[in-house]
Amino acid sequence: DSGVTQTPKHLITATGQRVTLRCSPRSGDLSVYWYQQSLDQGLQFLIQYYNGEERAKGNILERFSAQQFPDLHSELNLSSLELGDSALYFCASSVGRGMNTGELFFGEGSRLTVL
Amino acid sequence: GENVEQHPSTLSVQEGDSAVIKCTYSDSASNYFPWYKQELGKRPQLIIDIRSNVGEKKDQRIAVTLNKTAKHFSLHITETQPEDSAVYFCAAPNFNKFYFGSGTKLNVKP
Repeated sequence: DSGVTQTPKHLITATGQRVTLRCSPRSGDLSVYWYQQSLDQGLQFLIQYYNGEERAKGNILERFSAQQFPDLHSELNLSSLELGDSALYFCASSVGRGMNTGELFFGEGSRLTVL
Repeated sequence: GENVEQHPSTLSVQEGDSAVIKCTYSDSASNYFPWYKQELGKRPQLIIDIRSNVGEKKDQRIAVTLNKTAKHFSLHITETQPEDSAVYFCAAPNFNKFYFGSGTKLNVKP
């Protein structure tokens, strides 16, 4: 158990819909990262938050948005869903501001299926 | 990832043999080089990492070597076992870059 909690574990929805994925980081971790992993693909970096502020942006579509709340949990909002958005979405957390400050702890992921 | 290239994409070895996965990076400011292992259907987990002030780090059957001049680092797994079968990801993060390599699928044949 990494200490990072993601909900829901599985989600099935239709094209055009909107979903929200939730992540609670490890206790004490201030950074939250979101990654997308499509079938047999690598880890595509979407966005990072540190202590409530957006810190870095990767290949995140305009239809996607995220935020980190004062209690440090984070939500990833995916709207106008397309078939190609079907993927496993990972949240990870770390203590420091940058990925080079140490280990990322990953949650179990939220598997999104868009039909 | 945008600043990390990983090779090979797939690697098949016989149990007991060694496996080597190599990553090259472009940002000379990178100073931390982790390797993550992702078993099928599971989350990525850190298996070893190295900082730029050392050239090699070893932990039992796994080791990482770093060549800062050439901007590449490698994961070495010796005496491979079937449970080493997984996808391995490298990363060469800089402060504002959070990209992983494309992954290497390692298959250890019993």
